[in-house]
Amino acid sequence: SQKIEQNSEALNIQEGKTATLTCNYTNYSPAYLQWYRQDPGRGPVFLLLIRENEKEKRKERLKVTFDTTLKQSLFHITASQPADSATYLCALAAISSGSARQLTFGSGTQLTVLP
Amino acid sequence: EPEVTQTPSHQVTQMGQEVILRCVPISNHLYFYWYRQILGQKVEFLVSFYNNEISEKSEIFDDQFSVERPDGSNFTLKIRSTKLEDSAMYFCASSVLGPYEQYFGPGTRLTVT
Repeated sequence: SQKIEQNSEALNIQEGKTATLTCNYTNYSPAYLQWYRQDPGRGPVFLLLIRENEKEKRKERLKVTFDTTLKQSLFHITASQPADSATYLCALAAISSGSARQLTFGSGTQLTVLP
Repeated sequence: EPEVTQTPSHQVTQMGQEVILRCVPISNHLYFYWYRQILGQKVEFLVSFYNNEISEKSEIFDDQFSVERPDGSNFTLKIRSTKLEDSAMYFCASSVLGPYEQYFGPGTRLTVT
């Protein structure tokens, strides 16, 4: 069966350090991998999307890598701040041909940035 | 900045009652979704909607669930006869191009007693 696993339910790091979150998947052939942020009691917020033919994507302090051989994505937040504290979700959609295919989420990694 | 809105923010209902959760997606988006999140668990896909019909649905989305886009702006989720296990946060989402870069609403917390 298809599975998405995000390492460690919780990650604590010191302010200013780089946070690295991992997403592993099995039995998928994703064309895209996405990362979302979720704060308590709120809906997920889209952060970054990376395509299968892209190795790396950056947006401000965020960086995502995608290794389809390892079936893994790494999500980095550099110069982390307490405001980055949230749950980060990895999400996959299988290859689509014009239909609104479903997005499957991992269980998330709760990041706490300590001042 | 445009955003997805959902009403009500909290709905309490008795088991066996019908509930309708409402969403207004972003106006130029073409794809609409419902997800649920049981407290402490992952966000789960329920259904996607495109071109006025259901595009995909999960195993959770059984005959008790239905969706509708009645007037070109609202997108609703109906649960015909609620069960205790339907208690969850329900999120509506919309996107321009398929299941990518989805914009989520703030959610409706459904409590079934």
